[in-house]
Amino acid sequence: KNEVEQSPQNLTAQEGEFITINCSYSVGISALHWLQQHPGGGIVSLFMLSSGKKKHGRLIATINIQEKHSSLHITASHPRDSAVYICAVLFLNTDKLIFGTGTRLQVFP
Amino acid sequence: DAGVTQSPTHLIKTRGQQVTLRCSPKSGHDTVSWYQQALGQGPQFIFQYYEEEERQRGNFPDRFSGHQFPNYSSELNVNALLLGDSALYLCASSLYGEDEAFFGQGTRLTVV
Repeated sequence: KNEVEQSPQNLTAQEGEFITINCSYSVGISALHWLQQHPGGGIVSLFMLSSGKKKHGRLIATINIQEKHSSLHITASHPRDSAVYICAVLFLNTDKLIFGTGTRLQVFP
Repeated sequence: DAGVTQSPTHLIKTRGQQVTLRCSPKSGHDTVSWYQQALGQGPQFIFQYYEEEERQRGNFPDRFSGHQFPNYSSELNVNALLLGDSALYLCASSLYGEDEAFFGQGTRLTVV
């Protein structure tokens, strides 16, 4: 069964802290997306990964294909990073994304 | 490039009514996927359109239907609205066969 699990569901941090959000999935994938959703709903694509590691500014995403696990890291977190972060997976032989339930991050000054 | 645009942004409908939501894909994209996101949940796949045909469908009743136009824009129609249809409806566009997807801002539908 194609399943995606994220942890934690909720995360609070002080400004400047290092943040890690985890995503696990059940079977083989062709790609994994990390998405950011702010209040109001719009979704922004942060990364698309099929292997290895990607970095953009203070954001780093890694994926371990063998362990079926991906992490999103935020270095030097800032209150503007407060949002819901969603992992979405494109399983092999399908064209539809399966989403995790999201991680709600709040960063306090 | 305007990216993926959806309209309207917000909508209130009465139970039993019908609604049409619209999506214009990112320039150069030919595939549109629709998702429903209930409050506090991750988005759920409704269906995908490519070449003006429904290519894949999620676990949604026939009340949910769609259309894709020759210019690749798409509509999502929901008939006989139920209170449980209240959600954020997201559109994502991509190039067929490619993994990268871009999302619109969503349409928040409230059924009263």
